[in-house]
Order: sequence, then C-alpha cells, then structure tokens
Amino acid sequence: DVKVTQSSRYLVKRTGEKVFLECVQDMDHENMFWYRQDPGLGLRLIYFSYDVKMKEKGDIPEGYSVSREKKERFSLILESASTNQTSMYLCASSSRDRGGTEAFFGQGTRLTVV
Amino acid sequence: GNSVTQMEGPVTLSEEAFLTINCTYTATGYPSLFWYVQYPGEGLQLLLKATKADDKGSNKGFEATYRKETTSFHLEKGSVQVSDSAVYFCALGFSGGYNKLIFGAGTRLAVHP
Repeated sequence: DVKVTQSSRYLVKRTGEKVFLECVQDMDHENMFWYRQDPGLGLRLIYFSYDVKMKEKGDIPEGYSVSREKKERFSLILESASTNQTSMYLCASSSRDRGGTEAFFGQGTRLTVV
Repeated sequence: GNSVTQMEGPVTLSEEAFLTINCTYTATGYPSLFWYVQYPGEGLQLLLKATKADDKGSNKGFEATYRKETTSFHLEKGSVQVSDSAVYFCALGFSGGYNKLIFGAGTRLAVHP
C-alpha cells in the first residue's frame, strides 16, 4: 500500500523557534509537495521538488524553506516560527512519469505556534 | 491563471438525501480534474478523477462529469450516508512535468441520521 508519512501529527512551538517538518514516501515518486491548509482557503502550495536537491517555490513560500537530500524525504523548515504559521501542513508526492495522475497525501501535521 | 471555485459550505443533509457539490474551474490548456476527500483527522484521499472532456469519474457511489463547455466538475451522490461526512476538495492538474495540483477552498459535508 502506498504511503506518505509525516513525522508528527501535532506540534506546538514557540515564536522564533526553528521548526522542521519531515515527510517520507515509499513510492519512489519524483515529485514531492508541501501545502498548508487553512479554513476557507483550501490548500495552498508552499514549495515543491521534482528531483533530489531540486526545489521550486509555490504560491506562498515566504517564511519557509525546504530540503530534499534523498528522493524519499522532503523537509519543510520554518526558519523563525511566527503565530501566522499556525496551520495544518500536508505533504504529498506524485509520479512524474504518469502525467495527470493523482498525488498521495500524508496524514498532516497540525502546527501551533505560541 | 488557473483556479478552482467550489460552493461554500457547510452542506448539511439527512441520510439518504441527494448530494451535489458544485465545482467550476478556470484553466489555460486541458487539465485533469479531481475530487479529494478529507475525513476528520486525516490527510486527503483521491475520491475520483477525469482526464478529458466528457469523462465521468466514479467511486463509492460518487460521480462527477468533466464538462468543458461549462468548465465544471460537479460532485454528486444519490444517497449519502453518515460516513460520507467529510471535507471535499475539487482540484485541477496538468499532465506531465511537476503534476502540481490547484485546489478549491473545500466544502464541508455533514450528514445526519
């Protein structure tokens, strides 16, 4: 069964902390994505990666960075957490070769910044 | 630009009622269209998809038809169950390349016995 695993379901961090959200997929997918989900706004793309060490900005990259050192792992980094980054974060992966196919999502990390 | 618009929720129905959740899109080119579902406390799961005009996607009693002339992909189910209570997201994406998905805002469905 295909799987995208996010390292934490719930996180509480303090303002100004550096925060790492980890995501691992076991499907050998080329593409990986980080979205944030907020009520009334749906899912907004933060960053994505189409290959190891490659990254592209999404629609709302400000305040975030990413790292992809291995194909199966994609990390989202909040350099200095702020309260407006309190949100649900969703990781996803997809295969580049099967164009138009679906993305597979992790269970989400609910981050609260206090 | 590319975008997806969904009807606002929440939608509240009684069990066995008919469900329609409207979705329209704006896109340059010919996207694939998707419905994802998010059950409480979980990530998103693909519910159904359609890759070209007039295709009908179906799964678990849900259906949606890709209508190019009206740029729509409305989700329907003839008889909802309490277990269908969830948030439903319409999305579009393009073949090949990065497969980025663009999502609507989501529609919360609550089904009561």
